[in-house]
Amino acid sequence: GEDVEQSLFLSVREGDSSVINCTYTDSSSTYLYWYKQEPGAGLQLLTYIFSNMDMKQDQRLTVLLNKKDKHLSLRIADTQTGDSAIYFCAESIPPSNTGKLIFGQGTTLQVKP
Amino acid sequence: GAVVSQHPSWVICKSGTSVKIECRSLDFQATTMFWYRQFPKQSLMLMATSNEGSKATYEQGVEKDKFLINHASLTLSTLTVTSAHPEDSSFYICSVLRPGNTEAFFGQGTRLTVV
Repeated sequence: GEDVEQSLFLSVREGDSSVINCTYTDSSSTYLYWYKQEPGAGLQLLTYIFSNMDMKQDQRLTVLLNKKDKHLSLRIADTQTGDSAIYFCAESIPPSNTGKLIFGQGTTLQVKP
Repeated sequence: GAVVSQHPSWVICKSGTSVKIECRSLDFQATTMFWYRQFPKQSLMLMATSNEGSKATYEQGVEKDKFLINHASLTLSTLTVTSAHPEDSSFYICSVLRPGNTEAFFGQGTRLTVV
């Protein structure tokens, strides 16, 4: 079945770049999402990428997709203390984007001033 | 602004009582909505798919008689936790897929505590 894996914790200094990694198992065409969750809050959609794309950039966020290795990464440039949160990678359940998502465990990003 | 609104944001109830959580799609009509559950410091697990005008589809292991879902209109789905027990305490979040099947938006979540 489908599975999504993430590293659990990342600590960076303010102003540095953060790279959060994710691996997924399904090779079918699918959408891959990145969400941000602050303490006690819901999920904020940051960006998404379709599996036939290699890269997507949106302001400080860059998503890279390596289809061969089934590896997805989220790079946050010039990381700020306000970026401290849990970041979830999610994969839509194939074969089409039904809206059902499988989530990784979440990566806690700690930004030190 | 918010695309999906959940109410209430948090609720405390006594064991044995029932609690209703609402999920509203604010920007577009949604024939399908999704309910997820998140335990502390864990990921989100899909509980069920809410279908407008028909029965909800539950994921394996989710008790349909305990978690009643009603999708009475194109903008509202409700999740009722019946005969709640402390082990039902969790964070419940709904989501809506934008028409065109690209962006999946989530509500702000409901923190349920059963005492």
